[in-house]
Amino acid sequence: DGGITQSPKYLFRKEGQNVTLSCEQNLNHDAMYWYRQDPGQGLRLIYYSQIVNDFQKGDIAEGYSVSREKKESFPLTVTSAQKNPTAFYLCASSEGTGSGANVLTFGAGSRLTVL
Amino acid sequence: AQSVAQPEDQVNVAEGNPLTVKCTYSVSGNPYLFWYVQYPNRGLQFLLKYITGDNLVKGSYGFEAEFNKSQTSFHLKKPSALVSDSALYFCAVRDITKAAGNKLTFGGGTRVLVKP
Repeated sequence: DGGITQSPKYLFRKEGQNVTLSCEQNLNHDAMYWYRQDPGQGLRLIYYSQIVNDFQKGDIAEGYSVSREKKESFPLTVTSAQKNPTAFYLCASSEGTGSGANVLTFGAGSRLTVL
Repeated sequence: AQSVAQPEDQVNVAEGNPLTVKCTYSVSGNPYLFWYVQYPNRGLQFLLKYITGDNLVKGSYGFEAEFNKSQTSFHLKKPSALVSDSALYFCAVRDITKAAGNKLTFGGGTRVLVKP
């Protein structure tokens, strides 16, 4: 079945450590996205990529980094510079370049807790 | 700037009764509007979208939504709620007049609790 796989599902990190969240899709979608979800705040866009080897900052990119070396993969690194990294992280993808009425397909999410 | 408001943090409804989840939006041009649903510890699932044409949009699981341009609203409705409809619902908007790559903006979410 086609879909998006995020790993790990749960991750614990000590302060000062970088962590990388994996996102892989087999939908042949061009665009991929990372969102952060906090209780009562909806989803906020961290980074997005419309094509391989290219990506743009979203609304809350500070303290995060991404790469898009392959069409199928869009890993997110949460760096030690991120002041409040404890959150639920969602990866998504869509056909095309992100314009128009493209529907987002989401992964199951990764819950990061900083100890 | 585009924005979405979901004025109710939570909606409680008895099973079998009608369900309405409210959404209002603000864009400078014309909108694409979406509803997504999220079950606990899961990603979001697409329910329905409005692009153009008929103001009443039908989607998955018996849900529908009505686009009202004068009131800038896109309320989600279901005639008869099920306990399994209990979840977190998100409204989202994109301004179609913006350049390619314009971001989707999500509302804060409304938790629906359907009681037996």
